[in-house]
Amino acid sequence: NAGVTQTPKFRVLKTGQSMTLLCAQDMNHEYMYWYRQDPGMGLRLIHYSVGEGTTAKGEVPDGYNVSRLKKQNFLLGLESAAPSQTSVYFCASRPTGTGTETQYFGPGTRLLVL
Amino acid sequence: SQQGEEDPQALSIQEGENATMNCSYKTSINNLQWYRQNSGRGLVHLILIRSNEREKHSGRLRVTLDTSKKSSSLLITASRAADTASYFCATDPGANSKLTFGKGITLSVRP
Repeated sequence: NAGVTQTPKFRVLKTGQSMTLLCAQDMNHEYMYWYRQDPGMGLRLIHYSVGEGTTAKGEVPDGYNVSRLKKQNFLLGLESAAPSQTSVYFCASRPTGTGTETQYFGPGTRLLVL
Repeated sequence: SQQGEEDPQALSIQEGENATMNCSYKTSINNLQWYRQNSGRGLVHLILIRSNEREKHSGRLRVTLDTSKKSSSLLITASRAADTASYFCATDPGANSKLTFGKGITLSVRP
C-alpha cells in the first residue's frame, strides 16, 4: 500500500493564479482531511470529508474549495492564490468507527505564492 | 484557534535521558493523540489516549491524561538520536475527528 500520497510535492504560484492539490489514499478510508501548517504552528484544518460526495468546512476554509468525487481522492483548490496561502499542506485520512481515530498523513505539499 | 498547547516549546537532552512533554487543552475531548513529525515530513501517529483512560504505554512511550486539569503528558524513555523531531498533541472532540493541534515541541536528542 502506498498509504496517503500528495501531488505535487512543491509548487510556486504567482498571486491570482489557481491550482489544485491532489490527495489520494489506497486504504479505503471514509474520512479525509486537508490541513495547512505554517512556521512555528501546528496544523489547522481547512476542509474535511466524511465520505464520497461530501465535504465540510474546517477552521480555516476561506480561499479554498474541495471536492470528493471519488472515495480515494480529495482535491483542494485555490481559485485565486494569495501570499497568505504560502504554507505546507497536509492531507490525512482515517477509517470510520470507534477505535480507528488515528489519522494517516501524506508527505505534504509545499506551496509558495509570490 | 489552538486547542492544545505544548510545553516546553523546545527540549534538548542527552541520548539515554528521558524526555517529558506536556500538553494542555481547553474544551472537552473524546481522545487525545500525540504525533511526531520529522523535519520536512508528514506526521506520524504515536499514541492515542481516550478520555476515560488515565495512562497508556506503547514501547518507550508513556502518555497520561488528566481530564480534570485538561492536560496530558508524553514521556519518552531512554531517548535516542532518532527521536529528534517535533511532537504535537492533538485533541479529538469525537465528532468526525476534527483534530485540533498544538504548536508542537521541538525535541533534540544529542548523541
